Amino acid sequence: QSALTQPASVSGSPGQSITISCTGTSSDVGGYDYVSWYQQHPGKAPKLMIYDVSDRPSGVSNRFSGSKSGNTASLAISGLQAEDEADYYCGSYTSSDPLYVFGTGTKVTVL
Amino acid sequence: QLQLQESGPGLVKPSETLSLTCTVSGGSISSGSHYWGWIRQPPGKGLEWIGNIYYTGSTYYNPSLKSRVTMSVDTSKNQFSLNLSSVTAADTAVYYCAGLYCSGGRCYSNNWGQGTLVAVSS
Repeated sequence: QSALTQPASVSGSPGQSITISCTGTSSDVGGYDYVSWYQQHPGKAPKLMIYDVSDRPSGVSNRFSGSKSGNTASLAISGLQAEDEADYYCGSYTSSDPLYVFGTGTKVTVL
Repeated sequence: QLQLQESGPGLVKPSETLSLTCTVSGGSISSGSHYWGWIRQPPGKGLEWIGNIYYTGSTYYNPSLKSRVTMSVDTSKNQFSLNLSSVTAADTAVYYCAGLYCSGGRCYSNNWGQGTLVAVSS
C-alpha cells in the first residue's frame, strides 16, 4: 500500500486560485468516488475539508472545492487567504489493508 | 459529535513496546458506523495510517508495520488501543487516533484526537 502522490508545495498570492492534485491507482482514487481532503495547520490535528470527492462538511468555506478524473483527484482553493496557508492531504479508501491511505501532503504557501 | 482523546507515555525506550489508548466520548464505539484508527506523523513529515479496528475486533494493519502492530478494542470502556513493538527512533512521531466513517468504500475521517507526541529515546 503506497501513499497517494501530491505535489510537495503549491503557492499563490492572496485572492488567487490554486489547485492541488492527488494521484492514485484503480485500487484507491480511481476505483471509488470517495476521495477526501484534509487541512492541517502546524501543531494541530487534520481537519476534514472535502469528502466524497466534492462535498463540504458544515462550516467549511465554499472557496474549497473538489473534483476527480480517473486516478487523479484535485482540490481547488479560490480567493486564497492567509488562513489557508497549511498542509493539505488527500485520502481515499483502498481495497487493501489498512482500508485507508493518505497522500504525501502539499504545503500551501500564501505569498 | 464524537470526541477522541489519546493517552499513554510520551517517552519509550528503543526495543520496547509503545502503548497508547484512545477514549471515545459522545457516541458508542460499538455503533458500527466507524472503524477506529491510529495515524502517526513523524516530525516534519506526512501522515501515515497505521491501522484500523472495528468494534468486533477485526483489524486492518498497514503492511509496512504489520509485523509490529497490535490493536485492540474494549467496548465496555469505549476505548481502543495500539501496541507497537520493537520501537526505534524512526517511530518517534505524533500519534493520532481517529474515527473513520466507512461504508462500501465511502470513507472519511471527521473525528480526530488532538494527538500525542511519543519520543523513542534511551
